Amino acid sequence: GAVVSQHPSWVICKSGTSVKIECRSLDFQATTMFWYRQFPKQSLMLMATSNEGSKATYEQGVEKDKFLINHASLTLSTLTVTSAHPEDSSFYICSARTLHEQFFGPGTRLTVL
Amino acid sequence: SQQGEEDPQALSIQEGENATMNCSYKTSINNLQWYRQNSGRGLVHLILIRSNEREKHSGRLRVTLDTSKKSSSLLITASRAADTASYFCATDSGNNRLAFGKGNQVVVIP
Repeated sequence: GAVVSQHPSWVICKSGTSVKIECRSLDFQATTMFWYRQFPKQSLMLMATSNEGSKATYEQGVEKDKFLINHASLTLSTLTVTSAHPEDSSFYICSARTLHEQFFGPGTRLTVL
Repeated sequence: SQQGEEDPQALSIQEGENATMNCSYKTSINNLQWYRQNSGRGLVHLILIRSNEREKHSGRLRVTLDTSKKSSSLLITASRAADTASYFCATDSGNNRLAFGKGNQVVVIP
């Protein structure tokens, strides 16, 4: 099946710094990419939907200025958590969608100290 | 808001037993999908059932869909220790996004 990669797989940062997470579709072009956040023992919560070359659509309650999404190409989307705080610590999962299927990355564990 | 919602169960079963978990949703859907997530890992797609299908099988997995009750069930037969994971249902309502349920934690005891 199609592969979606994320980098880094985990990151620890100090409060106030910014962290960038990359999401790549390795062997296919994704029309749409999604970013999810998952807190421990909870479900995935959709943060935003991005289409290549256009601005991301953020879900209600997600601050677009804090979670910057750039979808530069059909195979790459980045999520930047700006001025991270401990409450941003979470598991961030990206997903890439073709016309018919959606594939998920392995996730990035963010810990903000 | 979450579309699919599983009964908030944590199942603990013996290896070889069957595991059943349920999912309910609120609006009309195009399809419903089940995913598995091992601790701290990404999601693995298990099976997709379309809104016009009532039952689907894949290996040891059996999924049912009742659109009149807006519910689905996932049955894992002859469970193995490797089936220990969280299982999520997700609904596709045709709006280009999946809505995930709360998930069921399944522990299979060897």
